[in-house]
Amino acid sequence: AQSVTQPDIHITVSEGASLELRCNYSYGATPYLFWYVQSPGQGLQLLLKYFSGDTLVQGIKGFEAEFKRSQSSFNLRKPSVHWSDAAEYFCAAPGTGRRALTFGSGTRLQVQP
Amino acid sequence: NAGVTQTPKFQVLKTGQSMTLQCAQDMNHNSMYWYRQDPGMGLRLIYYSASEGTTDKGEVPNGYNVSRLNKREFSLRLESAAPSQTSVYFCASSEVRADPYEQYFGPGTRLTVT
Repeated sequence: AQSVTQPDIHITVSEGASLELRCNYSYGATPYLFWYVQSPGQGLQLLLKYFSGDTLVQGIKGFEAEFKRSQSSFNLRKPSVHWSDAAEYFCAAPGTGRRALTFGSGTRLQVQP
Repeated sequence: NAGVTQTPKFQVLKTGQSMTLQCAQDMNHNSMYWYRQDPGMGLRLIYYSASEGTTDKGEVPNGYNVSRLNKREFSLRLESAAPSQTSVYFCASSEVRADPYEQYFGPGTRLTVT
């Protein structure tokens, strides 16, 4: 079965600093991979997705992610974090047989002024 | 175009009570899903419906039932609520023919069972 792991439960960065959130996956074939963001009290919003092709994927709100097959990783990055980026971030991949998603446990981002 | 809507937003139940969480989507999607979100566990699939008239169990179906009322609506029922069902519930929809796994989420229902 597929799995998605987010090793960091909580990350704090200063506003204006760069950000990298880690995601590791286990999947035999080329995976579909997603990053979602959940602002406090809100539902999940898709930031970006990778299906195939260029391994560097651009998303909304200035985020990007790079697929690295050799490291089984799909890390999310942003060059300069804004206070409004404080949220919880989820990496996701397809589940088995149901076209639903399996999610990582999430990384909560705190932004310091 | 409201996307995915869920009602209620908040609910408090006593152990043993029943309730139905409602979900509707206006994007003409075929597939709909119910997830629950618990701290440190991400989202876990409860049930899904690939198309109108079909439903299937997900990872954590025990204690829940679902109804795909029509293409737009997918409800989740707790027949006898338990404290372990305290969680945030999200409904989602997708059009698998267009984009196999991209899902659109509702704002969630925060349920507390005392």
